[in-house]
Amino acid sequence: SQTIHQWPATLVQPVGSPLSLECTVEGTSNPNLYWYRQAAGRGLQLLFYSVGIGQISSEVPQNLSASRPQDRQFILSSKKLLLSDSGFYLCAWSTSGYGYTFGSGTRLTVV
Amino acid sequence: GQQLNQSPQSMFIQEGEDVSMNCTSSSIFNTWLWYKQDPGEGPVLLIALYKAGELTSNGRLTAQFGITRKDSFLNISASIPSDVGIYFCAGLQLGGGADGLTFGKGTHLIIQP
Repeated sequence: SQTIHQWPATLVQPVGSPLSLECTVEGTSNPNLYWYRQAAGRGLQLLFYSVGIGQISSEVPQNLSASRPQDRQFILSSKKLLLSDSGFYLCAWSTSGYGYTFGSGTRLTVV
Repeated sequence: GQQLNQSPQSMFIQEGEDVSMNCTSSSIFNTWLWYKQDPGEGPVLLIALYKAGELTSNGRLTAQFGITRKDSFLNISASIPSDVGIYFCAGLQLGGGADGLTFGKGTHLIIQP
């Protein structure tokens, strides 16, 4: 069966520090992968999606970037975090347009 | 881009009451999905609807894909404390591509003892 792993679960980082969040998927090949951010417990904002290795589409100009070095690995990064980057980050995967499966999320607090 | 109008934004109900929420859009969708998110967790798929007019149940949950393909509703019968959370609708368009899933803004369900 397919599973999605996202880590870390929580993260507290100082302003100006770098960020790396990782997401991996098991049990499927060639998934579409997504990074979402959720503020204040509601509203999912699509940040990035990828249809294949090295292919990244950005939905919103951000202080963030994404990379897909392997088929089932999706990484969200920042070189210098801002206070406004705080939020709940969710990774998700899908195949053939049958809906998304989400990871358990990372709570990022920038201080 | 497409938007889903999800209502109500919040619901305060007593345990045991039935709950109803819905999503509407000006665009046609070929799939409707309902997710539930518990605090601090990722959304979990509750019900998926693939055909206009389809009525599907999952335990105490019932959802319908509107005939016009522009709306969907979710009902929860005899609510219990573990039903608390945020419920999201999502619509998928034919040929929508990798980013074809559109989410509503969520309905926050709060159950008063």
